[in-house]
Amino acid sequence: DIQMTQSPSSLSASVGDGVTITCRASQGIGNYLAWYQQKPGKVPELLIYTTSTLQSGVPSRFSGSGSGTDFTLTISSLQPEDVATYYCLKYNSAPRTFGPGTKVDIK
Amino acid sequence: ELQLVESGGGLVQPGGSLRLSCTASGFTFSTYSMNWVRQAPRKGLEWVSYIGPSSGSIHYADSVKGRFTTSRDNAKNSLYLQMNSLRDEDTAVYYCATDLPNPMGFWGHGTLVTVSS
Repeated sequence: DIQMTQSPSSLSASVGDGVTITCRASQGIGNYLAWYQQKPGKVPELLIYTTSTLQSGVPSRFSGSGSGTDFTLTISSLQPEDVATYYCLKYNSAPRTFGPGTKVDIK
Repeated sequence: ELQLVESGGGLVQPGGSLRLSCTASGFTFSTYSMNWVRQAPRKGLEWVSYIGPSSGSIHYADSVKGRFTTSRDNAKNSLYLQMNSLRDEDTAVYYCATDLPNPMGFWGHGTLVTVSS
């Protein structure tokens, strides 16, 4: 099965900073990569699918890129409401697999 | 309004069984594939199972294969997860999530399953 890794496992940045999270698949998954945001105590929400397509209602400061095995989620200007754990998901075939998550805090 | 409501969680002893339900409303349930995802306390998300719109395609995570069974009743707008031979490590909040219209685009609020003696 394909394994998913994320880096870093956590980060702390200032409001207004740019933030980049990396997700890597152990084998190529095309562009079948999604990103989810889970705020503390809340249900996960889809942010991005097919690597770079923003889910409706997601702020434009979020963006995704990559293909094959290496993918990134970028927050162009970190806001207080972005404090959350971010997960990548590969869904090209079963089993679907989440990455271990990246916790984002405000410095 | 889109809604997914999970039920059936609770406390069960190791080796026991439990059946979770997820009732959908606000969309054409029979059109979309569904997933179960779980989250152990203070841990990350773990995909558990997938079922296609007409139940023709069903997949499981290796961690639950042979113990859990996913099914759906499109006439009742309902998704189910039959969990047998439960283990301590199955303790988690279980979410149902629909691929509406994108992968796991909408989630329920989850139901807590605690496996403990």
